[in-house]
Amino acid sequence: NAGVTQTPKFRVLKTGQSMTLLCAQDMNHEYMYWYRQDPGMGLRLIHYSVGEGTTAKGEVPDGYNVSRLKKQNFLLGLESAAPSQTSVYFCASSNADTEAFFGQGTRLTVV
Amino acid sequence: GQSLEQPSEVTAVEGAIVQINCTYQTSGFYGLSWYQQHDGGAPTFLSYNALDGLEETGRFSSFLSRSDSYGYLLLQELQMKDSASYFCAVRDNYGQNFVFGPGTRLSVLP
Repeated sequence: NAGVTQTPKFRVLKTGQSMTLLCAQDMNHEYMYWYRQDPGMGLRLIHYSVGEGTTAKGEVPDGYNVSRLKKQNFLLGLESAAPSQTSVYFCASSNADTEAFFGQGTRLTVV
Repeated sequence: GQSLEQPSEVTAVEGAIVQINCTYQTSGFYGLSWYQQHDGGAPTFLSYNALDGLEETGRFSSFLSRSDSYGYLLLQELQMKDSASYFCAVRDNYGQNFVFGPGTRLSVLP
């Protein structure tokens, strides 16, 4: 049972480069989330989606875009990466009243 | 918006009991959850309270008081493997927006 899968697991970007992080879930969950976690800090919500074709902004959306074209996939894009976006990114999925399942994270470094 | 507060660090010895508090402010409320995260790992679900009272799951219990906007996680019979960060999280907007607290780092000493 795969659960929530994030790709890639590691990435190094140069300032100004773009990239897309992919999150895939096989639990038929309606809700999906993208968080970032900086050293010694909590999880901050970037964007979330409550269903296919819908997205909404979280606490720290600036510099990121998302898309949910298929129910099982939630993509996070960085159009022009900045060193401040160096972080660990976690994707999660759930239904409205169930626990959230997390992917193993993507460690992104922007130099 | 939402905001959550937790103590930043807690230290206890093996076999002891520890309580991690969480206070929250939210524009709506749809339940309080607790997650555990070991260093280098992903958060994993521990407990969920939608209604007031105590929920017990093995060595872990969680409590909620909606009138006080307060909850806690109680860990009993502490083991070394319980050393981790613990996060409370709230849902609002009818369960859509899912926001985490800053986390409490628990260190269990031998």
